[in-house]
Amino acid sequence: QQQVKQSPQSLIVQKGGISIINCAYENTAFDYFPWYQQFPGKGPALLIAIRPDVSEKKEGRFTISFNKSAKQFSLHIMDSQPGDSATYFCAASMKAAGNKLTFGGGTRVLVKP
Amino acid sequence: DAGVTQSPTHLIKTRGQQVTLRCSPKSGHDTVSWYQQALGQGPQFIFQYYEEEERQRGNFPDRFSGHQFPNYSSELNVNALLLGDSALYLCASSLAPQGTQYFGPGTRLLVL
Repeated sequence: QQQVKQSPQSLIVQKGGISIINCAYENTAFDYFPWYQQFPGKGPALLIAIRPDVSEKKEGRFTISFNKSAKQFSLHIMDSQPGDSATYFCAASMKAAGNKLTFGGGTRVLVKP
Repeated sequence: DAGVTQSPTHLIKTRGQQVTLRCSPKSGHDTVSWYQQALGQGPQFIFQYYEEEERQRGNFPDRFSGHQFPNYSSELNVNALLLGDSALYLCASSLAPQGTQYFGPGTRLLVL
């Protein structure tokens, strides 16, 4: 059972554009929602994370929007740069389960110069 | 400050063999979690070790086992390897089981 669904699978955006990745979850017990960035041959790196008591969190060019009632959250990458080309994963976890991460399927983002 | 390290970086085994992968957590971290990432997919949680005990386990068979040492480093063992075990194996460390997880570069396992 896939508990976190991520879309789209891939995304092409022009330099300076906005990349938007969406995730939906099923388990309402999740209480932590991180986004990870992964480059080829590397492990995932934590980008930004949010808890369900806030609706939006911004760090630099990266923003998470969170809709608790819809059980959805999204990542916006503003002013996308070629160096942002990577695979992005949303994830969800709950403190009660030791924060084991349930990942979405990933979105491959390509930023064209 | 060293991050999470894993060894080896790559490994080739044949079906039926056994493999051991190693992980050293980030300095100051005491919890290690292991994930399997098949090509083109998101990581899947295998298990988590804290205080030298397995605390959480994902939907993986008993062929997958682990260990945590007093210095918090950890090993992942896989017995009776199957072709489907070919994947990137990721180790993540955190300060306590509820802490933020930081991933290592992974070990790429190919089973022939």
